[in-house]
Amino acid sequence: DPKIIQKPKYLVAVTGSEKILICEQYLGHNAMYWYRQSAKKPLEFMFSYSYQKLMDNQTASSRFQPQSSKKNHLDLQITALKPDDSATYFCASSPPWGVNQDTQYFGPGTRLLVL
Amino acid sequence: QQQVRQSPQSLTVWEGETAILNCSYEDSTFDYFPWYWQFPRESPALLIAIRPVSNKKEDGRFTIFFNKREKKLSLHITDSQPGDSATYFCAASPSSGQKLVFGQGTILKVYL
Repeated sequence: DPKIIQKPKYLVAVTGSEKILICEQYLGHNAMYWYRQSAKKPLEFMFSYSYQKLMDNQTASSRFQPQSSKKNHLDLQITALKPDDSATYFCASSPPWGVNQDTQYFGPGTRLLVL
Repeated sequence: QQQVRQSPQSLTVWEGETAILNCSYEDSTFDYFPWYWQFPRESPALLIAIRPVSNKKEDGRFTIFFNKREKKLSLHITDSQPGDSATYFCAASPSSGQKLVFGQGTILKVYL
């Protein structure tokens, strides 16, 4: 069974619209992250959360807003979509303090195409 | 500014050869260096990782060599197999629970 679920797997949107990318992890981790991967850039860190609190934000645009309704959820809301937002968005998580605390496990990703 | 750099961009080796992937970084506060591999249409998966307290980490055919003074590390894949063909990412993090900074990746192809 997949331990990190991302929904949807594929998403096509029109320019200017708004979408929410869903991420749920069932690994018992307290830290969650969003990364973006596109043809133009390598894996790029966006946000990190720990115990549902924002720890780091490397996304310049306020159009990207993470939302954490539960400790094992970290959704990503994207507003006013642009074609440049087309990318694969990966959710990741890492365990609490311990032996493998630095290991980040990646979800399967959501492939977003903005037309 | 690219904080983590990888070379070469792509690498082709024959089955059985040793592949050497290089990585360098700039930030002295980086404290954790994982290598991830990624197969087409899949997500990155942790392959092997090292901390600066060690200068070598081995896991089967995969070995990381780390040079803290020069801020360089390399991943050696011995007895390369076609199934090792993937994109390899070197990453760095200042401490636990913080962002991973990824290099741009090395595409490895292993031919029979």
